[in-house]
Amino acid sequence: NAGVTQTPKFQVLKTGQSMTLQCAQDMNHNSMYWYRQDPGMGLRLIYYSASEGTTDKGEVPNGYNVSRLNKREFSLRLESAAPSQTSVYFCASSAGQGPTYEQYFGPGTRLTVT
Amino acid sequence: GENVEQHPSTLSVQEGDSAVIKCTYSDSASNYFPWYKQELGKGPQLIIDIRSNVGEKKDQRIAVTLNKTAKHFSLHITETQPEDSAVYFCAASTSYKLSFGAGTTVTVRA
Repeated sequence: NAGVTQTPKFQVLKTGQSMTLQCAQDMNHNSMYWYRQDPGMGLRLIYYSASEGTTDKGEVPNGYNVSRLNKREFSLRLESAAPSQTSVYFCASSAGQGPTYEQYFGPGTRLTVT
Repeated sequence: GENVEQHPSTLSVQEGDSAVIKCTYSDSASNYFPWYKQELGKGPQLIIDIRSNVGEKKDQRIAVTLNKTAKHFSLHITETQPEDSAVYFCAASTSYKLSFGAGTTVTVRA
């Protein structure tokens, strides 16, 4: 049981490049989330998927798109990376639908945009 | 929307002493208050949570208290050990959104 896995662990992009961050969970969880973590700002929700087939915007969705490929996988895409998107990105999942259930986090992807 | 403030931002304690982290929230509809611990290079992990119908909850050396009237909640760690060194995040949730505090870096000195 690997929990929540994320790839890649590290990535450096040039401004304007695109990339997709991958996330998968093996806990049969319904809900999945993408957060970004910046110094002094805690975790901010980018997008979430309450169940397979649904996605919704979070607090900071601009510049990102997501795909809930199936129940296990939830990807985050940056179409045209900007330096402001330099951050650590965390994927999380929870068994229930909604934020009042424990969230299990992956190890994170450290992204630098130059 | 919900605004969660967390204090202090850094905390250094002697091994064996207690550590207290305090958070305030703005949305009176918030009803779920989890605390997450993040070790270096890892994702956050839930350590304890409390719901709005409970005033205090304890799990071994950690406890959380909630004052709904004042809209604040606190994390207490007793008999601190080196493995308690980490970043701690509080959060507050309504039925549709979870908001995190900015985090507290706790260092336990041997």
